Amino acid sequence: ETGVTQTPRHLVMGMTNKKSLKCEQHLGHNAMYWYKQSAKKPLELMFVYNFKEQTENNSVPSRFSPECPNSSHLFLHLHTLQPEDSALYLCASSQDAMGQHYEQYFGPGTRLTVT
Amino acid sequence: DAKTTQPPSMDCAEGRAANLPCNHSTISGNEYVYWYRQIHSQGPQYIIHGLKNNETNEMASLIITEDRKSSTLILPHATLRDTAVYYCIVRVAQAGTALIFGKGTTLSVSS
Repeated sequence: ETGVTQTPRHLVMGMTNKKSLKCEQHLGHNAMYWYKQSAKKPLELMFVYNFKEQTENNSVPSRFSPECPNSSHLFLHLHTLQPEDSALYLCASSQDAMGQHYEQYFGPGTRLTVT
Repeated sequence: DAKTTQPPSMDCAEGRAANLPCNHSTISGNEYVYWYRQIHSQGPQYIIHGLKNNETNEMASLIITEDRKSSTLILPHATLRDTAVYYCIVRVAQAGTALIFGKGTTLSVSS
């Protein structure tokens, strides 16, 4: 248990559906991240939020829409996805503190299948 | 692109030390070396990090060469539960800086 939870753990959706992934961290961290891990590929960064502000969008298609209402919660809204978007979606958080190293704590991931 | 080079796979006998190498010849002076691991289909787990001195914690030891161009992660007594993909990552210690994952080393521990 890392202190980062993700729901749902598994999701199957059609290409015309709209769904949301939720991430919650109980660590008091200020930075949160979405990563994507496709089969047999390295993890790819999608979005970074620092103090609720989006600081990085790694050229992610607009069918993925992040939302960070507060420092503890991060959502990824999904609509009109493609089968190639099927992957493990991982959320992470890290502490923002001057002079400290910033290890990231990952959630267990949501296994998404687009049919 | 990842700034590190790791062997794609390694084997280790249970109870023996596992030594995982990593080359990072272009590392900058303000970049730390981080190690994470990912057990199958789970989220990555932080192991250890270092700047230039050797480091040890309850999970592993990190040996960084004097020129900082390479490092070795040591699991002193590998167990079956240490079977995972191990990632060596270099990055500045700054909040909101994402991790750039390469392909890592798949460590297989067998009895």
